[in-house]
Amino acid sequence: GQQVMQIPQYQHVQEGEDFTTYCNSSTTLSNIQWYKQRPGGHPVFLIQLVKSGEVKKQKRLTFQFGEAKKNSSLHITATQTTDVGTYFCALYTGNQFYFGTGTSLTVIP
Amino acid sequence: DSGVTQTPKHLITATGQRVTLRCSPRSGDLSVYWYQQSLDQGLQFLIQYYNGEERAKGNILERFSAQQFPDLHSELNLSSLELGDSALYFCASSVAPQGPGELFFGEGSRLTVL
Repeated sequence: GQQVMQIPQYQHVQEGEDFTTYCNSSTTLSNIQWYKQRPGGHPVFLIQLVKSGEVKKQKRLTFQFGEAKKNSSLHITATQTTDVGTYFCALYTGNQFYFGTGTSLTVIP
Repeated sequence: DSGVTQTPKHLITATGQRVTLRCSPRSGDLSVYWYQQSLDQGLQFLIQYYNGEERAKGNILERFSAQQFPDLHSELNLSSLELGDSALYFCASSVAPQGPGELFFGEGSRLTVL
């Protein structure tokens, strides 16, 4: 099946520090999505990337799709306590959405 | 509120039993996906339905089955339950028959098998 590696698995940061999670695929992707799941909550869609080298920003969040379309990253600038949660990348192939293992972000006030 | 409704929110049952989880997709969404999330685990795709037809199947056990009804709600049936089936089961809906449209997740049904 499709392999989607996401690193790191856990990240603790001080409030105000930056945070980055990476998603790597063994194959070329047609698209990638990012979701956030707050503790005790359900995944919520953040964004979708489809173009090689695409960069999209949402306030303090920056999403990037690799030039080879095999990897993607999510960068949060100046983390806040509201950023706490698990961030998943997801790719669609073969009629299935494959989710990465997720990166759990803890923000220390 | 995603617009996706899942019931029950919590369920506690014993090994060997059978349970049914229910999902009502967002109004207008024809695709329903089921995912299993175990403790500290990612989202494991189980099965997808589109407009009543099975569209894709993931790592769904033979003890599990699902269906989507004419009114587009879906049910996931889990039988001969084992301790390892304890997990959070999410339903998600999408307007598209195939991806990569946005998935809207329900709040999940937490199953505990004792």
